[in-house]
Amino acid sequence: QSALTQPRSVSGSPGQSVTISCTGTSSDVGEYDFVSWYQQHPGKAPKLIIYDVTKRPSGVPDRFSGSKSGNTASLTIPGLQAEDEADYYCCSFAGSHVIFGGGTKLTVL
Amino acid sequence: EVQVLESGGGLVQPGGSLRLSCAASGFTFRNYAMSWVRQAPGKGLEWVSGISGVGGDTYYADSVKGRFTISRDNSENTVYLQMNSLTAEDTAVYYCAKVAGLLIPRHFQDWGQGTLVTVSS
Repeated sequence: QSALTQPRSVSGSPGQSVTISCTGTSSDVGEYDFVSWYQQHPGKAPKLIIYDVTKRPSGVPDRFSGSKSGNTASLTIPGLQAEDEADYYCCSFAGSHVIFGGGTKLTVL
Repeated sequence: EVQVLESGGGLVQPGGSLRLSCAASGFTFRNYAMSWVRQAPGKGLEWVSGISGVGGDTYYADSVKGRFTISRDNSENTVYLQMNSLTAEDTAVYYCAKVAGLLIPRHFQDWGQGTLVTVSS
């Protein structure tokens, strides 16, 4: 049950677009459409921002979007804002368990 | 409004025990599975344990199996995590989360603020 693979860090300037990838296997990301993404600001609890690959909970800005192709899921944030600076974690249902990615630190330059 | 509030964390010696509690409100508690997720200092998230809505089914990560026990009291809207034989590797912030799914979460809908468990002599 290895962690899903995410880049350790990404960065972008305000207004730019960034994409965070999340690579799993055919037993988790590739098998199920139950990929979720969480935003975590320092010292705070994670917050669900994307579920079921593409869906956004109410209250989450539509700037956040999710997608999946094969064994890789992606979170895209167009029009970066300063408050988007945080850690982002992907997560996938895997049948008998759940597996998280290692996390990506997003820096807004 | 959904609220999830953990308590019971603290400093414990290696080999010791601790029981965490998670009080929930704002939703029909018995209809939802609940989970514990932990985050070691400076590290990522790890799903630790889960329990179905009526409490008949439970799940444990291999790293805690045989040492941790999850339970719930639907009359009190509370989930518990009994942690025994603690080691330094169990040091983490422990989050309680309301999940989507019967036992194995499809996703974690709402999170508490976490409670810190430190295992150290």
